[in-house]
Amino acid sequence: QVQLQESGPGLLKPSGNLSLTCVVSGGSISSNYWWSWVRQSPGKGLEWIGEIFHTGSINYNPSLTGRLTISVDDSQNQLSLKLSSVTAADTAVYYCARHRGGAVPGLFDYWGQGTQVTVSS
Amino acid sequence: IQMTQSPTTLSASVGDRVTLTCRASESINIWLAWYQQKPGKAPKLLIYKASSLESGVPSRFRGSGSGTEFTLTINSLQPDDFATYYCQQYQSHWRTFGQGTKVEVK
Repeated sequence: QVQLQESGPGLLKPSGNLSLTCVVSGGSISSNYWWSWVRQSPGKGLEWIGEIFHTGSINYNPSLTGRLTISVDDSQNQLSLKLSSVTAADTAVYYCARHRGGAVPGLFDYWGQGTQVTVSS
Repeated sequence: IQMTQSPTTLSASVGDRVTLTCRASESINIWLAWYQQKPGKAPKLLIYKASSLESGVPSRFRGSGSGTEFTLTINSLQPDDFATYYCQQYQSHWRTFGQGTKVEVK
């Protein structure tokens, strides 16, 4: 049974840089799956942030490109998110999720429990 | 691709049949999923490819549609079904969700 566990700073100041980690257990992050970050804020609902395949293929939400970096660490079996120059609009619960395998990725079958990120001075 | 769900809130009673609607701004063929979310929890996959039932999900959940119009029907609503439901398209690499429909106790 695949399990995902996010971790992060909880609270950070505007203009700061956000770093989140998602540790994968019960499966290898190097297997043939895509992995995503999704966030949820009261004002914007669920928002897909970006996705990565262990080979390095990446797709980002165009609204976040330029501030966003997603990466995988095979040795630690984890994926990471870095978001720069955060504002209050980045306040949300951040989830990592695994895509179901198959010809058409983008279907999220396993989710982490989520980690709250609050941007406030 | 913009996803629009209706209604925003639906009041219903145990035993009711309820229908939730999701519209896509352009055709997404059958690449649509439905998720159920309860407060403080991650979304849970219910339906994929518009009408395929995820393993372990009760058969009272039924998805239908293709192109731009989709529905999720819950037959004989159970107490555990009061939650918020989201549709999500995965036709485009820019994955997008609807804003959700909250099914609440009437």
